[in-house]
Amino acid sequence: GDSVTQMEGPVTLSEEAFLTINCTYTATGYPSLFWYVQYPGEGLQLLLKATKADDKGSNKGFEATYRKETTSFHLEKGSVQVSDSAVYFCALSVRGGSNYKLTFGKGTLLTVNP
Amino acid sequence: EAEVAQSPRYKITEKSQAVAFWCDPISGHATLYWYRQILGQGPELLVQFQDESVVDDSQLPKDRFSAERLKGVDSTLKIQPAELGDSAMYLCASSLGLAGALRQSYEQYFGPGTRLTVT
Repeated sequence: GDSVTQMEGPVTLSEEAFLTINCTYTATGYPSLFWYVQYPGEGLQLLLKATKADDKGSNKGFEATYRKETTSFHLEKGSVQVSDSAVYFCALSVRGGSNYKLTFGKGTLLTVNP
Repeated sequence: EAEVAQSPRYKITEKSQAVAFWCDPISGHATLYWYRQILGQGPELLVQFQDESVVDDSQLPKDRFSAERLKGVDSTLKIQPAELGDSAMYLCASSLGLAGALRQSYEQYFGPGTRLTVT
């Protein structure tokens, strides 16, 4: 079946540090890939996405590139801020008929200290 | 900006009691999803609706969970009886879900969730 493996946290960084959160996947078909962010007490927000190999998704300074050859979609940001503290989820979606359900990783808690 | 609405935001119930959650998707979204997120885990799909029809409920514990979307708009998820292991965040999401449309129409938008604590 489909699955997502992402780097276990928690990850603690100082403000302006470089961030990488690793994500790899296995999928039965050709997936779309996503990063979601969850702030404390809130639901999930789509951070960025990529729908085909070599696509780069980007938003709010975060980037991730769809690497089909390594089945990876690592999240990066050059300079994190305290406001980036949240849980980050890597996810994939493979269409099965009209079913586009998301399969999530376990999440990585990021804490950014001033 | 349109949002997915959920209520209540928090619910505490005793085991063996019944509990219900409500979700109102973004207007015009045909597809509605209920996910369960256990603390420290990623969300897992419980049930997916296309309009008023169930598309996927393979992970829904049908002995105690039920879901309905009678008019193809808002939806209710019910647990009866609740068990200690049901304590989790219950998330609702919706997408346009138009058959034959661009893949972007399947992008899912999440509500704030209902945090359930069973004591």
